[in-house]
Amino acid sequence: DGGITQSPKYLFRKEGQNVTLSCEQNLNHDAMYWYRQDPGQGLRLIYYSQIVNDFQKGDIAEGYSVSREKKESFPLTVTSAQKNPTAFYLCASSDPSGGANTGELFFGEGSRLTVL
Amino acid sequence: GDSVTQMEGPVTLSEEAFLTINCTYTATGYPSLFWYVQYPGEGLQLLLKATKADDKGSNKGFEATYRKETTSFHLEKGSVQVSDSAVYFCALKMRLTNAGKSTFGDGTTLTVKP
Repeated sequence: DGGITQSPKYLFRKEGQNVTLSCEQNLNHDAMYWYRQDPGQGLRLIYYSQIVNDFQKGDIAEGYSVSREKKESFPLTVTSAQKNPTAFYLCASSDPSGGANTGELFFGEGSRLTVL
Repeated sequence: GDSVTQMEGPVTLSEEAFLTINCTYTATGYPSLFWYVQYPGEGLQLLLKATKADDKGSNKGFEATYRKETTSFHLEKGSVQVSDSAVYFCALKMRLTNAGKSTFGDGTTLTVKP
């Protein structure tokens, strides 16, 4: 089945460590996104990429980094510079091309990061 | 900038009750509008969408109509079930750009009791 796979589902990190969250899609979508979700809040955009080898900062990019070397993959690194990294991280994709551009997002199941 | 305002929750209903979750938006152009649903511990999934004024999106008994004159996209369901308990997010995306960013409301938590 086509979809988005995020791993790991749960991750624990000690302060000062960098961690990388994986996001892989087989939907052949050009655009991919990383969102952060905190309890009782909406989604905040961290980074997004509209095409391979290109990505843009979202609203809360500080302390995070990404790469987009392949169309299928958009990993997110949470660096030690991120002061409050404990959160639920969601990866999504969409296909902005074509005549039926509704901009609908397809989400993975999320990765929950906890800093110990 | 663009924004979405949702009815504050949480909302608690009895099974078979009528549901309305209000959503209004502010946008400089002509957005597409979406409702996403998130079940506990999962990612979001699209519930329904509407891409132009007066369109009605519907799915699984849920409906929402794109009202340009009131800049609203309220979610309704005539008879909720326990399985509808989830967090509901209203969102918009500008149709005529490929900037790729969606704007989300803060989410409304719905609990349906038997």
